[in-house]
Amino acid sequence: NAGVMQNPRHLVRRRGQEARLRCSPMKGHSHVYWYRQLPEEGLKFMVYLQKENIIDESGMPKERFSAEFPKEGPSILRIQQVVRGDSAAYFCASSPTGVSGNTIYFGEGSWLTVV
Amino acid sequence: QQQVKQSPQSLIVQKGGIPIINCAYENTAFDYFPWYQQFPGKGPALLIAIRPDVSEKKEGRFTISFNKSAKQFSLHIMDSQPGDSATYFCAARWGNEKLTFGTGTRLTIIP
Repeated sequence: NAGVMQNPRHLVRRRGQEARLRCSPMKGHSHVYWYRQLPEEGLKFMVYLQKENIIDESGMPKERFSAEFPKEGPSILRIQQVVRGDSAAYFCASSPTGVSGNTIYFGEGSWLTVV
Repeated sequence: QQQVKQSPQSLIVQKGGIPIINCAYENTAFDYFPWYQQFPGKGPALLIAIRPDVSEKKEGRFTISFNKSAKQFSLHIMDSQPGDSATYFCAARWGNEKLTFGTGTRLTIIP
């Protein structure tokens, strides 16, 4: 009965390094969403993926950010050449296929700190 | 049109009181309206959700009121407790698309 699993929970990177955040959706869920939350702010949509497909990446910065959800394995959010402004909590969420209006469940988040 | 406007930004209520958090939306295609509760350092947890064909839904001490014609919905917390102190987010969604979140309400329940 595992929920949405994210790792690492906390990550510190120096400016210019790469950050990789992983998300394993709930069992039976094939829709994955990534959201970013800056301190004291709400959740901002980044990208929506299904297995092997990016459905909506309208919230992703055009440069340095990429996401994938391969046929096997977790979804990965990758941030290249991190800058201080990338410091935030990154939340992954998942939902099952099919029926409209399915509940979306969130993981505990990955807190990225860029120093 | 994809926005969900949430108010107030912060709210302080005495224990036992009934905090009310309001949200409004524009997109009439939205068909699912959840509320999430978030504690510091944790992910958002689903609290309660409603669909637009229902005007009210209760789960324990939490009630959603939904006004389809006004395109507004609100969360009421009955008999509020200090443990309810958290940030609350309303959200909206249509189909299998992404959730659009409100900006959040930081609720403090004082003993």
